Amino acid sequence: AQSVTQPDIHITVSEGASLELRCNYSYGATPYLFWYVQSPGQGLQLLLKYFSGDTLVQGIKGFEAEFKRSQSSFNLRKPSVHWSDAAEYFCAVGVRGGGADGLTFGKGTHLIIQP
Amino acid sequence: NAGVTQTPKFQVLKTGQSMTLQCAQDMNHEYMSWYRQDPGMGLRLIHYSVGAGITDQGEVPNGYNVSRSTTEDFPLRLLSAAPSQTSVYFCASSYSGREAFFGQGTRLTVV
Repeated sequence: AQSVTQPDIHITVSEGASLELRCNYSYGATPYLFWYVQSPGQGLQLLLKYFSGDTLVQGIKGFEAEFKRSQSSFNLRKPSVHWSDAAEYFCAVGVRGGGADGLTFGKGTHLIIQP
Repeated sequence: NAGVTQTPKFQVLKTGQSMTLQCAQDMNHEYMSWYRQDPGMGLRLIHYSVGAGITDQGEVPNGYNVSRSTTEDFPLRLLSAAPSQTSVYFCASSYSGREAFFGQGTRLTVV
């Protein structure tokens, strides 16, 4: 079965600084990869996804992520964060061909933005 | 296009009571699933369904039942509520392992 690790439980970044959130996965083949964001009291919104092709994917709100097969990683980046980016971020993997158990999520990274 | 709709948004139950959380999607997705979200635990899969009439257990199924009589609906039943089931519940739908679309969640408190 697949698994996802987000090593950082909390990250604090100054407004305007760059951001990188780490995600490592375990799966026998190349999975589908996702980043979701959850604002307080809200549901989960898809930021970006990787299915195949270009390993650098662009998402909404100025986020991007890079799939590195050799490192089993799918790190999320943003060149300059805004106070509105403060939220919980979840990395997830999906099984190609329609795995019967849905998506597997990491435990999340809580992003704090300092003024 | 409503996406995934969950009801109710908030619920307080007494220990031992039963209730059903409703989930409906209008995207004709074959996959539907229920997650619970607890602080520090991320999202944990309760039950999932790969199509009408087919359901299976996820990581934390105890105390919950599901059924899938139609493609659109996937209700989650709490048989006898316990304080340990206090959580935020999310329903999601997806197509063939691709991105999941989530409802807005149900915040459940069991007293």
